[in-house]
Amino acid sequence: NAGVTQTPKFQVLKTGQSMTLQCAQDMNHNSMYWYRQDPGMGLRLIYYSASEGTTDKGEVPNGYNVSRLNKREFSLRPESAAPSQTSVYFCATTEPGQGFLYNEQFFGPGTRLTVL
Amino acid sequence: AQSVTQPDIHITVSEGASLELRCNYSYGATPYLFWYVQSPGQGLQLLLKYFSGDTLVQGIKGFEAEFKRSQSSFNLRKPSVHWSDAAEYFCAARLQGAQKLVFGQGTRLTINP
Repeated sequence: NAGVTQTPKFQVLKTGQSMTLQCAQDMNHNSMYWYRQDPGMGLRLIYYSASEGTTDKGEVPNGYNVSRLNKREFSLRPESAAPSQTSVYFCATTEPGQGFLYNEQFFGPGTRLTVL
Repeated sequence: AQSVTQPDIHITVSEGASLELRCNYSYGATPYLFWYVQSPGQGLQLLLKYFSGDTLVQGIKGFEAEFKRSQSSFNLRKPSVHWSDAAEYFCAARLQGAQKLVFGQGTRLTINP
């Protein structure tokens, strides 16, 4: 069980370029999330997907596109990279439900994106 | 608006000393509450969680947290810290049935030898 995996670990882009951050999970969870982490700001939700085929905006969605390819995979793509998108990006999954066994979010190791 | 506040951005304690990290939440109803730890260059790992019942919750690595409804707080404690506890700690909350987890800003813990 790999849990939640993210690729790549590091990426450098020039302003205006684009690429896709990949996230995959083998936990059979329905919900998946993309966060960005910036110093002093905690984790901010970019987009989430409650289930396969659905996506919804989080706190800071502007400038990003997402795709829930299937139950396992949820990708994030800066539309046109800008220096303000320099950050560490985390993918997470959870299985929503009632009670103690549910609702914990499991995180991937992160992708550090630098936009020059 | 729903929010989670960690008042301390950075805390330094000596190895072997006790630790308390503060967390306050602002929600209309009692949310599910979580503490996560992030070691440098790593993802987030769950330390403990509170859903209901006993207000003192035990977690991994010797951590515990106490839920106080009257103070809207969920403070994290450890009786004696180890150098390996140096990390960033995040408090988070989610309403029952909600999709979104709201994080505090984080508290960076430094351990003096």
